[in-house]
Amino acid sequence: DGGITQSPKYLFRKEGQNVTLSCEQNLNHDAMYWYRQDPGQGLRLIYYSQIVNDFQKGDIAEGYSVSREKKESFPLTVTSAQKNPTAFYLCASSIDSGTSGGELFFGEGSRLTVL
Amino acid sequence: GENVEQHPSTLSVQEGDSAVIKCTYSDSASNYFPWYKQELGKRPQLIIDIRSNVGEKKDQRIAVTLNKTAKHFSLHITETQPEDSAVYFCAAHNFILTGGGNKLTFGTGTQLKVEL
Repeated sequence: DGGITQSPKYLFRKEGQNVTLSCEQNLNHDAMYWYRQDPGQGLRLIYYSQIVNDFQKGDIAEGYSVSREKKESFPLTVTSAQKNPTAFYLCASSIDSGTSGGELFFGEGSRLTVL
Repeated sequence: GENVEQHPSTLSVQEGDSAVIKCTYSDSASNYFPWYKQELGKRPQLIIDIRSNVGEKKDQRIAVTLNKTAKHFSLHITETQPEDSAVYFCAAHNFILTGGGNKLTFGTGTQLKVEL
């Protein structure tokens, strides 16, 4: 069953702690993305990766870090430097379609709450 | 960078009526414009998209129009049904010349409610 899997679905964190959200895909997609979703603000891009061992900052990268050691995996770490980490986080992947864009396939999301 | 504005933020229509959601973008180099639907508690899913070399695209009850000169595009849903109730997001795509990669910038979303 192909798709993109995020875990955990719900996560609680104390202030000052780092937390890592998992994202795995078996679609053989080259590109992967992390978005943050807040009410009334749509989907904002945190980081994206077009190929293994390479990634770029999105619009709101401060306080986050990523790695792309394997094609299938793109974990996101929310660090203690992120001032307002409580949010819904969505991972996505797509075929690398060069300059013309293509469909994003989303995971079911991870809801992070900082206590 | 790219900025996408979406209106309205909420839209309520009677079943069977049409619904229109509008978006504007800032970067004239954007070349791909998808629309995503997110039902309550579910992941966003692509419902229709349009590329910059096309002015209009239809798929059954949904259609998207693009005006490159004015830098705006719209989603049209005809004969709305209760299952159309969801949040709809527009987006604009750029290929980033510096650093590489494809980047999709989303609008802030429209909550559509189809009332019986």
